[in-house]
Amino acid sequence: EAQVTQNPRYLITVTGKKLTVTCSQNMNHEYMSWYRQDPGLGLRQIYYSMNVEVTDKGDVPEGYKVSRKEKRNFPLILESPSPNQTSLYFCASSPFWGRILEQYFGPGTRLTVT
Amino acid sequence: QKEVEQNSGPLSVPEGAIASLNCTYSDRGSQSFFWYRQYSGKSPELIMFIYSNGDKEDGRFTAQLNKASQYVSLLIRDSQPSDSATYLCAVQGGSEKLVFGKGTKLTVNP
Repeated sequence: EAQVTQNPRYLITVTGKKLTVTCSQNMNHEYMSWYRQDPGLGLRQIYYSMNVEVTDKGDVPEGYKVSRKEKRNFPLILESPSPNQTSLYFCASSPFWGRILEQYFGPGTRLTVT
Repeated sequence: QKEVEQNSGPLSVPEGAIASLNCTYSDRGSQSFFWYRQYSGKSPELIMFIYSNGDKEDGRFTAQLNKASQYVSLLIRDSQPSDSATYLCAVQGGSEKLVFGKGTKLTVNP
């Protein structure tokens, strides 16, 4: 089954404790992206990657890191999480043809930072 | 800052009616436009995309694009209770970034 998977689905952590949210897709997509979704603010792009070893900032990159060492994986790293990073996070992937980003979203990771 | 604006709603329509969802965008260089549906507690799923002026139809859904007015809309004909969800408009500019509106919540009443 073609899909985007994220782990963990739910995470409660404390301020300053480094964490990684994994994202994997099995569709051989070139483009991958991370979003956060907050009430009243909608979906905002954190980072995106056009292909292996190619990443770029979205609109809200502060406090996050990403890497793209393999085409299928695009982990999101919070080196020192803070309470304002409490949010619902989505990973998405897309084939990159004709410059149309037809994105497929993962199930989401609900993160709470206390 | 490139912006995508949607009426937050809620928009309420009776079953069988046409639901009309609207979106405006600020970046005149935007090239591709997307409509996503998000059920409560679920991830967004792509309904349609459009990149040329005019209408694009897919089943009960029609996307309309007017680049001169910087306006894109989604019409849902014969609305069903299962269409009740939040609809997200997304705009892709000249780069690989995608900007989402905050969404319009649609309720279809039986």
